[in-house]
Amino acid sequence: NAGVTQTPKFQVLKTGQSMTLQCAQDMNHEYMSWYRQDPGMGLRLIHYSVGAGITDQGEVPNGYNVSRSTTEDFPLRLLSAAPSQTSVYFCASFTQTGPVGANEQFFGPGTRLTVL
Amino acid sequence: AQSVAQPEDQVNVAEGNPLTVKCTYSVSGNPYLFWYVQYPNRGLQFLLKYITGDNLVKGSYGFEAEFNKSQTSFHLKKPSALVSDSALYFCAVRPYTGRRALTFGSGTRLQVQP
Repeated sequence: NAGVTQTPKFQVLKTGQSMTLQCAQDMNHEYMSWYRQDPGMGLRLIHYSVGAGITDQGEVPNGYNVSRSTTEDFPLRLLSAAPSQTSVYFCASFTQTGPVGANEQFFGPGTRLTVL
Repeated sequence: AQSVAQPEDQVNVAEGNPLTVKCTYSVSGNPYLFWYVQYPNRGLQFLLKYITGDNLVKGSYGFEAEFNKSQTSFHLKKPSALVSDSALYFCAVRPYTGRRALTFGSGTRLQVQP
């Protein structure tokens, strides 16, 4: 298993540009989520999905869009990049079998995004 | 809403000494509690979790954590630190019911000196 994969590893954008961060998992996990990591703030949830066709907002959703057409893929779209979106982005997944919520999340390696 | 506090930005310890990384949480009802570790330029790796039962939980790489319900704490411990333990450690909480998203603390950087 490759686990959770993310592309690209690094990206530099200009203000106003749009782009899509890719995330895929091969563990057949129902639950996928996107976090951003900023210094001194831990990880903050952007959007999450509990299954194909179902998404919901997290703590910091503004400026981001998601869709989940398959179990495997959960892309994150930046609609019009702003310098405040400079961050490291992590995708994560977990299964909901067993006690719901008790399972650990598996994280991808991250995408380092800089918006100029 | 749930929250996690990691009161120390950095913990310094000498190799071979015991280490503790502190975590307190706030959640409605019973919690699921997790510790993750992040090495430089890497994603987060799961260390251990508390679901229910024994308050002392053992995890990967010799780490353990003690759940204390009255103090709402879940401190991470290791009897003898290694230089290779130097990393960023995150505590996280998820309530038994409601949204399944994890809430993370701000992280504690552990520095183990040789």
